[in-house]
This record gives sequence, structure tokens and C-alpha cells, in this order.
Amino acid sequence: NAGVTQTPKFRVLKTGQSMTLLCAQDMNHEYMYWYRQDPGMGLRLIHYSVGEGTTAKGEVPDGYNVSRLKKQNFLLGLESAAPSQTSVYFCASSYTDRVRETQYFGPGTRLLVL
Amino acid sequence: TQLLEQSPQFLSIQEGENLTVYCNSSSVFSSLQWYRQEPGEGPVLLVTVVTGGEVKKLKRLTFQFGDARKDSSLHITAAQPGDTGLYLCAGAAAAGNKLTFGGGTRVLVKP
Repeated sequence: NAGVTQTPKFRVLKTGQSMTLLCAQDMNHEYMYWYRQDPGMGLRLIHYSVGEGTTAKGEVPDGYNVSRLKKQNFLLGLESAAPSQTSVYFCASSYTDRVRETQYFGPGTRLLVL
Repeated sequence: TQLLEQSPQFLSIQEGENLTVYCNSSSVFSSLQWYRQEPGEGPVLLVTVVTGGEVKKLKRLTFQFGDARKDSSLHITAAQPGDTGLYLCAGAAAAGNKLTFGGGTRVLVKP
């Protein structure tokens, strides 16, 4: 099993450009999450999904959109990138959202917006 | 918004020394998790604590959840270079609530 994979690993964008980050999991998990990690701020939840076809906003959703057309994939879109979106983006998945549930994280996508 | 404060932000010690990382909040959490993250990788779950006063041990790592479920600590005994990494605590206010992460503690264990 590959677990959680993310593509691309690294990307440089110019302000105003758009891009889509892809997350895929092969564990048949219902729940998927997108986080961003900035120095000293831990991980902050952008959007999440509780199942195929459903999405919801997290703590910092502005400037991002998501889609979950297939259970195994969760896409994060930036329609018009801004320098403030320079960050490392992590996708995670879990089987449920019960208290002891483990979230499995991907290796991250490093994004630089110039 | 619930906040989790981790301290210290950075810790550098010699191999064999002990260290403690703290995770504090003014809010009550129903569960608290500790993760370790290595450079270029995503966080990996170490432990989940759910009961006030709970203590869990994972080899040389000891995790404690405060009695009031507002704070937690991670203690590493006889640290080794392999313990080097970013340690993150994350809490959930209730079942079904999403995780709130602390800012992380970067630990460097020098041989």
C-alpha cells in the first residue's frame, strides 16, 4: 500500500496563477483533509471531506477550493495564487473521525508563490 | 478558536539527556494526540490520550494528559539522535471535531 500520496512535491507559481494539488489514498478512508503548515504555526485545516461528493470548510479556507469526486482522491485548488499562500500543504486521511482515530499524512507539497 | 501552545519552540540536547515538551491550552480537549514529523515528511501519530491524568509510555517516550484535560507533556528519557524531529501536539474538543495543532517543538539530539 502506498498510503497517502501527494502530487506535485514542489511547485513555484507566480502571483495570480492557478494550480491544483492532488491527494490520493489507497486505504479506503472516508475522511480526507487538507492542511497548510507554516513555521511556528503547526498545521491549520483548510478544507476537509467526510465522504465522496462532500466537502466542508476548515479553519483557513479563503482562497482555496476543493473537490472529492472519487473516494480515493481529494483535490485542492488555488484559483489565483497569492504570496501569502506560500506554504507546505499536507493531505491526510482517516477511516472515521472518532476520538482515537489516526490521521495518516502524505509527504507534503511545498508551494512557493512569487 | 481553541489554541494549543507548545514550549519550548526549540530544544537542543546531547545524546543521553532527558527532555520534556509541553502543550498547554485554556480550553478543555476530549483527546490529545502527539505527532513526530521528520524533514520532508508528513507527521506520524505517536499516541492519543483521552482520559484526564492518563499516562502512556512508548519505549523511552512518556506522554501525560493533564487532570483537567487542558494540557499535556511529552518526556523523552535518554534521548538518542533518532529522536530528532518536530513534535506536534493536536487536540480535539469532542468526537467529530477537527484537530487543532500546536506550533510544534523542534528537537535536536546531538551525538
